[in-house]
Amino acid sequence: GQNIDQPTEMTATEGAIVQINCTYQTSGFNGLFWYQQHAGEAPTFLSYNVLDGLEEKGRFSSFLSRSKGYSYLLLKELQMKDSASYLCAVRPSNYQLIWGAGTKLIIKP
Amino acid sequence: DGGITQSPKYLFRKEGQNVTLSCEQNLNHDAMYWYRQDPGQGLRLIYYSQIVNDFQKGDIAEGYSVSREKKESFPLTVTSAQKNPTAFYLCASSIRQDSYEQYFGPGTRLTVT
Repeated sequence: GQNIDQPTEMTATEGAIVQINCTYQTSGFNGLFWYQQHAGEAPTFLSYNVLDGLEEKGRFSSFLSRSKGYSYLLLKELQMKDSASYLCAVRPSNYQLIWGAGTKLIIKP
Repeated sequence: DGGITQSPKYLFRKEGQNVTLSCEQNLNHDAMYWYRQDPGQGLRLIYYSQIVNDFQKGDIAEGYSVSREKKESFPLTVTSAQKNPTAFYLCASSIRQDSYEQYFGPGTRLTVT
């Protein structure tokens, strides 16, 4: 079967750094995505990785290791507005996305 | 402003009734998708459409139906055959089916009692 695992919930402090991990087992691989979703709202695109390595975009970075079936999202200089769920999704084929259940990130002052 | 609209935000229905959720996009995207989101689970694909007048079943299509008569519109009907229809429904679109970014609408929370 196809599977994506992420921690259910994480807590971090404002101004700190947090790393959200995602491991996957899929029948193919055509890219890994991270989305942010605030409660009751639509997911919004954060990053896309298809090659191994680190992609940096402002305070957010995403890392991929295809051989290990592993990715992480790194959030720096945490702000209260970063409190949200972070969804990891993998594209095993050209059209399909397999989604993880999401990691709820709680930021404390 | 370009984007995806879903209406209504909240919808209540009695068991046994069919209900149609609307999804409209003015992004000129070819591909559109319907997902269902339940607590503690990842998004699950219900139906997707690559072009007008064409659509394909996703992983959980049973009890749902769609149409794609116009490029801008991809309505989802939740039929009485869907055993657990209460959920948060998200519509999304992308430039093409193999585009890497999907844009999501604000969602419709359907409650069936």
